[in-house]
Amino acid sequence: NAGVTQTPKFQVLKTGQSMTLQCAQDMNHEYMSWYRQDPGMGLRLIHYSVGAGITDQGEVPNGYNVSRSTTEDFPLRLLSAAPSQTSVYFCASSLSGANVLTFGAGSRLTVL
Amino acid sequence: AQSVSQHNHHVILSEAASLELGCNYSYGGTVNLFWYVQYPGQHLQLLLKYFSGDPLVKGIKGFEAEFIKSKFSFNLRKPSVQWSDTAEYFCAALGDKLIFGTGTRLQVFP
Repeated sequence: NAGVTQTPKFQVLKTGQSMTLQCAQDMNHEYMSWYRQDPGMGLRLIHYSVGAGITDQGEVPNGYNVSRSTTEDFPLRLLSAAPSQTSVYFCASSLSGANVLTFGAGSRLTVL
Repeated sequence: AQSVSQHNHHVILSEAASLELGCNYSYGGTVNLFWYVQYPGQHLQLLLKYFSGDPLVKGIKGFEAEFIKSKFSFNLRKPSVQWSDTAEYFCAALGDKLIFGTGTRLQVFP
């Protein structure tokens, strides 16, 4: 099925652990992005990419790294997890930054 | 800096009532505007969008929004809500990046 696939759906980490949230799309979209959703704060842009090899920071990039080695994949890395990173993370993609986003189903991360 | 403000955090309505959700943005250039909806347990879906042309845009499920450039606003409206409209609604503005507002939780009671 065409769309945006995020893994894992749920993850529990201890403070200081590292992990990678995976995001893949099969629609040949150039633009990909990561958001975190927190109650009362809406969606906040973490990082985005306008194409393979190009990434840029969003509103809340600290504590997160990204890379875009292929058009299809856009992983989000937490190098040293903190409780403040407990959130629901959404990956989204579109043909270009000006188009409608297609969202993944989300990844719920809890950092203890 | 680019930003989006949604003034109504939580709205409670009875079925058949009219709805208007406020959205204001700030950005120094041309923006594309969106309303997304998140039904309980689901991920975000596009409700409607404005890129250019007629400032009154119609979306799915009877929703519409009006772009008023002088007020930097893009308010969402629906003449008669249904119980199935219970969801969280997000306004978003695309300037140099896509920024979302904090969302409005709508509860519709039968």
